[in-house]
Amino acid sequence: KQEVTQIPAALSVPEGENLVLNCSFTDSAIYNLQWFRQDPGKGLTSLLLIQSSQREQTSGRLNASLDKSSGRSTLYIAASQPGDSATYLCAVRGSQTGANNLFFGTGTRLTVIP
Amino acid sequence: NAGVTQTPKFQVLKTGQSMTLQCAQDMNHNSMYWYRQDPGMGLRLIYYSASEGTTDKGEVPNGYNVSRLNKREFSLRLESAAPSQTSVYFCASRRTGANEQFFGPGTRLTVL
Repeated sequence: KQEVTQIPAALSVPEGENLVLNCSFTDSAIYNLQWFRQDPGKGLTSLLLIQSSQREQTSGRLNASLDKSSGRSTLYIAASQPGDSATYLCAVRGSQTGANNLFFGTGTRLTVIP
Repeated sequence: NAGVTQTPKFQVLKTGQSMTLQCAQDMNHNSMYWYRQDPGMGLRLIYYSASEGTTDKGEVPNGYNVSRLNKREFSLRLESAAPSQTSVYFCASRRTGANEQFFGPGTRLTVL
């Protein structure tokens, strides 16, 4: 069964700092990996999706990388802002047919201090 | 375009009571999913529906039933609620052939 781990569980940084969030998964046979943002009491917003054949994806100040063979992904946030404060979730989709559901990590709660 | 909507937003039940969580999407997606989110654990799949008229169990289906009423709506029913079902429930949908799942805002359920 796929296990997804995110470290650290919580992170506080001063505004303007660059930061990296980590995600690891046990089964490298994935179809894609997705990073989500979750604000308190809200649903999940998709940030970036990396296909298994890709190495990275970028959107604005966000850059996600994928090393499938080692079972790792990172989410890089440049020039952090207080509005970036949220929980960031990593999820992988298995390569098998069927549910096509996502396996989620427990998230990293980010606080950006003004 | 409302995306994925869920009702209710909050619910408190007593042990043994029943209720149905509603989910609807207006994106014409074929696949729909129900997940639960518990503290210290990632979201886990309860049930999914690959298309109208089909449903299948996910990782944690015990104590739940689902109905894919039509293409838009996918409901989750708790027949006899238990404290272990206290959780936040998320519905999601996905277009066939697409990679991205879209999530609703969640229903926070407490079972006393």
